[in-house]
Amino acid sequence: GAGVSQSPSNKVTEKGKDVELRCDPISGHTALYWYRQSLGQGLEFLIYFQGNSAPDKSGLPSDRFSAERTGGSVSTLTIQRTQQEDSAVYLCASSRPGTGFYNEQFFGPGTRLTVL
Amino acid sequence: RKEVEQDPGPFNVPEGATVAFNCTYSNSASQSFFWYRQDCRKEPKLLMSVYSSGNEDGRFTAQLNRASQYISLLIRDSKLSDSATYLCVVNTDKLIFGTGTRLQVFP
Repeated sequence: GAGVSQSPSNKVTEKGKDVELRCDPISGHTALYWYRQSLGQGLEFLIYFQGNSAPDKSGLPSDRFSAERTGGSVSTLTIQRTQQEDSAVYLCASSRPGTGFYNEQFFGPGTRLTVL
Repeated sequence: RKEVEQDPGPFNVPEGATVAFNCTYSNSASQSFFWYRQDCRKEPKLLMSVYSSGNEDGRFTAQLNRASQYISLLIRDSKLSDSATYLCVVNTDKLIFGTGTRLQVFP
């Protein structure tokens, strides 16, 4: 079956421009996460959507970052006025809800963002 | 203190060696635990869940110590293909990833 997809796979932008990154989760997965991973670093949690609940935005690094999830499915991560330190791979993951062992996270291939 | 802490490594071991990774977590309310594997420039993928009684999957053994808030992963008879970064993951109300431990197996 289809996995998590992300687009674009690569994005090069100029400092100060806005970018939008898209994530299509696995059908039926109500939980959706965005992470950021800089070169050689671990995963940095950004934001978490669970069903119709208010998202957990505790990981967003600044107010330039925002995300929305329409219809409980597709999600868009928007970075305004990009800075060079925003350069990273942005990973999206989806899972079933809950805290049990069945809610394995499935990751998309990521979007590699480069800010010049 | 980070919610999930791991030794970043790298661990450089010869083929056939046994290697163990440790992970500690800060939230005693955490309910489920996992090890993920991430190959270079790839997305993370689930390696195994970690059950309270400990569990084994082939050459891989995972252990959980709730009292000490400690998780471990043991890899026996290391293969070259085991070279990767191993991420400890803890689920409280959401999944939190450690920064990973890098393993390099050499011939």
